[in-house]
Amino acid sequence: DAGITQSPRHKVTETGTPVTLRCHQTENHRYMYWYRQDPGHGLRLIHYSYGVKDTDKGEVSDGYSVSRSKTEDFLLTLESATSSQTSVYFCAITAGYGYTFGSGTRLTVV
Amino acid sequence: QQPVQSPQAVILREGEDAVINCSSSKALYSVHWYRQKHGEAPVFLMILLKGGEQKGHEKISASFNEKKQQSSLYLTASQLSYSGTYFCGPENQAGTALIFGKGTTLSVSS
Repeated sequence: DAGITQSPRHKVTETGTPVTLRCHQTENHRYMYWYRQDPGHGLRLIHYSYGVKDTDKGEVSDGYSVSRSKTEDFLLTLESATSSQTSVYFCAITAGYGYTFGSGTRLTVV
Repeated sequence: QQPVQSPQAVILREGEDAVINCSSSKALYSVHWYRQKHGEAPVFLMILLKGGEQKGHEKISASFNEKKQQSSLYLTASQLSYSGTYFCGPENQAGTALIFGKGTTLSVSS
């Protein structure tokens, strides 16, 4: 395993509450990514980071913010969760010449 | 903009062949392919680089046509373990992230 973990694995939250998902890596990779996966849409890029405090938006960044204060941690925050943000969230890192994905976080907004 | 994958779904018997196509409206510089089994994270299969270099899986091959902005994944003599959803992921224009297609679901039965 490439040393990438996501937490929590499952979360149920109420509409309007803030939620933070964490991605942690142990291999000092520069690039980290957040994707969401929904039926019929595949994997869609939310945000990514190319270094500490260096981030950029992806295809579906509205309603999400990210932070990377340390190389090993990439945080995804939903400022005010909505039902449309119910999804499976995957973090990924580049491991040489391919992406390695974390196990995912299943988020349900009720 | 997401690349277009075809077909959306394929049903095979063991030993049969399949081709999955990936078309992009933008120029391709490299294309990744991933396989995801139900309830698991996507797993890297291979990367195709501009110029034709291919790295990755031993039993699955792929092609990359820069002029047509297409890539195809070839699965020959399919095995039960090939079942899953396959995603292509061309690099974005900046070369900093992958933009995935919606996926092709492959079902192999005995």
